[in-house]
Order: sequence, then C-alpha cells, then structure tokens
Amino acid sequence: GAVVSQHPSRVICKSGTSVKIECRSLDFQATTMFWYRQFPKKSLMLMATSNEGSKATYEQGVEKDKFLINHASLTLSTLTVTSAHPEDSSFYICSARGGTVSTEAFFGQGTRLTVV
Amino acid sequence: GENVEQHPSTLSVQEGDSAVIKCTYSDSASNYFPWYKQELGKRPQLIIDIRSNVGEKKDQRIAVTLNKTAKHFSLHITETQPEDSAVYFCAATGNQFYFGTGTSLTVIP
Repeated sequence: GAVVSQHPSRVICKSGTSVKIECRSLDFQATTMFWYRQFPKKSLMLMATSNEGSKATYEQGVEKDKFLINHASLTLSTLTVTSAHPEDSSFYICSARGGTVSTEAFFGQGTRLTVV
Repeated sequence: GENVEQHPSTLSVQEGDSAVIKCTYSDSASNYFPWYKQELGKRPQLIIDIRSNVGEKKDQRIAVTLNKTAKHFSLHITETQPEDSAVYFCAATGNQFYFGTGTSLTVIP
C-alpha cells in the first residue's frame, strides 16, 4: 500500500507552547487528509477533514483556533496544537486518501504528544 | 456527522473458533466500509474493506458482509489464532472517515 509518514513520533512540550505535527504522503497525491485523536484504549476520534487548497472541516466540539490544520499541497498536511495544555496530551494520527470517497485511506504512524 | 456503533467492545474466543464483530452506521451516503486492526501504539492496518455495491467479500479467514438497507456491516474471522488478538475498528466513509468504537479481541490458545 501507499506510504504516509508522520512526524514527529513523540514530542514533549511545555504548557503554553505550540507544536506542529506533519503528515506526508510519500508516493501518492493526497487529495484528502484526516486528523484523529486517540485516547488510551479508545477509538480514533475524527478531528477534522482537510482537502488540498481548502479550509479544513472541523468536527463538532473541536476548536479550530486551537488545532490549526493546513493542507497546502497534495503531499503535506500539518496540525498545529496552539497554546498546548496538559489535557491536549494524546495520540494524534493522520490518514491520507488519494482517490475517490470510496477508496482506502492510509495512516501515518501517529504522534504521542505530552504537554508538561 | 456519521455515527458508527460497534459491538461488542470486548470479545474472547478460543483458538480455532469464529469471531464476529458488528457495526451500524447512520449516514446513508456512506459508501465505503473498511475494517482495521490496531496493535497498541501502532497505526491501524487495513484488513478488509467493502464497497456499497457489494454485499459480501471474503479474504481467506476474514469476511465482511454489508446490509445497506439496514445500515449494518459485520466482520467475520474464522479459525481464529492467537495472533488475531488486537483491537479491531470498523469505519464508514463518504466525504469524512468515521471509526467505530472498537472491539478488543482476545484469542485464547
């Protein structure tokens, strides 16, 4: 399958700082990228859907000013957690889809964010 | 948005027995239904998928059925093995990509 690379895999930051997570599709053009948050032993909660060149569509309850998503190219999307707080600590994972809505999405390896 | 429910949340079976996980969805526009296996701290891995124009699909020990009228789909694993132990997620997708709540499967040797 196609390869999606997510970086960093782990990050520790201080409260109040911002953290940027990158999601890259290495061998295909990702027209759509999805960002998820996963708590321990829980499901993947969709945060937002981004289409290249468009503003991201955020799910209800997700603060768009806190979780900034940029999808400026067909191979790169970024999630920036602004003014991070300890409650933002979580596993964040992206996925990318290159085809139509009825095609597989490929996942990055995830980012473990710890805010201290 | 889409609401995907998944049952059971935990499932234990003896090695060699079958395991069945069921999901329901709410958005009739969803047209692609993948199933993922996730090991702790790892990314989800696609194990099988089905599209809305198909009622059943099989790949060796794994099969998926879809009832679009009733808006439910199921994963069937036959002849389970200890290495099948993991968390399984269903998903229903259209423009967005929503996951079910997950099933922790344990296969007892």
